Amino acid sequence: AQSVSQHNHHVILSEAASLELGCNYSYGGTVNLFWYVQYPGQHLQLLLKYFSGDPLVKGIKGFEAEFIKSKFSFNLRKPSVQWSDTAEYFCAVRLNYGGSQGNLIFGKGTKLSVKP
Amino acid sequence: DAGVTQSPTHLIKTRGQQVTLRCSPKSGHDTVSWYQQALGQGPQFIFQYYEEEERQRGNFPDRFSGHQFPNYSSELNVNALLLGDSALYLCASSLRVSFHGYTFGSGTRLTVV
Repeated sequence: AQSVSQHNHHVILSEAASLELGCNYSYGGTVNLFWYVQYPGQHLQLLLKYFSGDPLVKGIKGFEAEFIKSKFSFNLRKPSVQWSDTAEYFCAVRLNYGGSQGNLIFGKGTKLSVKP
Repeated sequence: DAGVTQSPTHLIKTRGQQVTLRCSPKSGHDTVSWYQQALGQGPQFIFQYYEEEERQRGNFPDRFSGHQFPNYSSELNVNALLLGDSALYLCASSLRVSFHGYTFGSGTRLTVV
């Protein structure tokens, strides 16, 4: 079965530190890739998405992610984190069946805590 | 504002009872998907509705059923509630043609006691 793996369960950083959250998926076909953020008590918000084209994707709030097809990876990065980035981050994959509305497969999430 | 409205926000039910959760999709969206997010886990796909029909289903028992109405809103029904059904239930809407992604609601927190 297809799966999404997020390598880190909990990451603790100091403000201004750089961030990289790993995400790998297991599916050999065409995929759409997403990173969502969930602030405490709030809904899932889309940070960025990759459908096709440039594998380096820029999202909101200074986040970016790089799709490396050969490694089945879609890692999330931010050069300098802020206290307000404290949240849970979810990587998700949608299997692209060529127009069919494939559902999202989520990783288990990575909790990011940023110390002021 | 998430654009997707879910109700209620919280509810507590007793084992064996039945529950109905509701979702209004983002304006212009025609497809509704439901996800279950257990504590400390990522959301898991339950099913998806389009044109008032269930189009896809995840690995959930028949106790989980749904409905989509002509105005694209949707309901999730869970019968014979178990303690393990306690979770955050998320609704996500999308546009079937010209898919650009999903918009999630804030969820309904269901506690089964």
